[in-house]
Amino acid sequence: DGGITQSPKYLFRKEGQNVTLSCEQNLNHDAMYWYRQDPGQGLRLIYYSQIVNDFQKGDIAEGYSVSREKKESFPLTVTSAQKNPTAFYLCASSSRVGTEAFFGQGTRLTVV
Amino acid sequence: AQSVTQLGSHVSVSEGALVLLRCNYSSSVPPYLFWYVQYPNQGLQLLLKYTTGATLVKGINGFEAEFKKSETSFHLTKPSAHMSDAAEYFCAVSRYNQGGKLIFGQGTELSVKP
Repeated sequence: DGGITQSPKYLFRKEGQNVTLSCEQNLNHDAMYWYRQDPGQGLRLIYYSQIVNDFQKGDIAEGYSVSREKKESFPLTVTSAQKNPTAFYLCASSSRVGTEAFFGQGTRLTVV
Repeated sequence: AQSVTQLGSHVSVSEGALVLLRCNYSSSVPPYLFWYVQYPNQGLQLLLKYTTGATLVKGINGFEAEFKKSETSFHLTKPSAHMSDAAEYFCAVSRYNQGGKLIFGQGTELSVKP
């Protein structure tokens, strides 16, 4: 079954620790995206990558980092520099000329 | 620049009643428009999309939306609500050839009363 897998579904970390969220897709999509969701604010773009070994900042990239070493994988690291990291994180992918994004099931990160 | 405004953060309807969720957008280029649905603690599922062509778009689960350029609107409707329609709905806009780089509205939570 083709799709996007995010893991883990729930993640707890202590303040000041870096944490990496996993996102894997087997849709053969070139482009991948990370969104952050907060109640009442919709989704906001953190980072995106249109091809392997290349990525661009989205609207709220501060305190986050990504890598794109493989087409299938686009991990997101939430660093200690992110002031308010507790949120629901969604990964998505689309084909290079695609007109729609496909989303994973999300990771809920809680920092205590 | 592109933006999306969803009118009403919460909408409540009775089962069997018409569902109308409002979305207005702004875009300096011809937009691609989307409606997504999200159930609690889940990802987003595409309901329908407008890219080019016919302005009345039919989606899954009996939903449809009409692109009205003159009103810069893309409202989502369903003739008869079902209990299973209770969820959060997001309107989104993107540019041509950037279908994954989305600008989202704030979301509308739909409640369906028996």
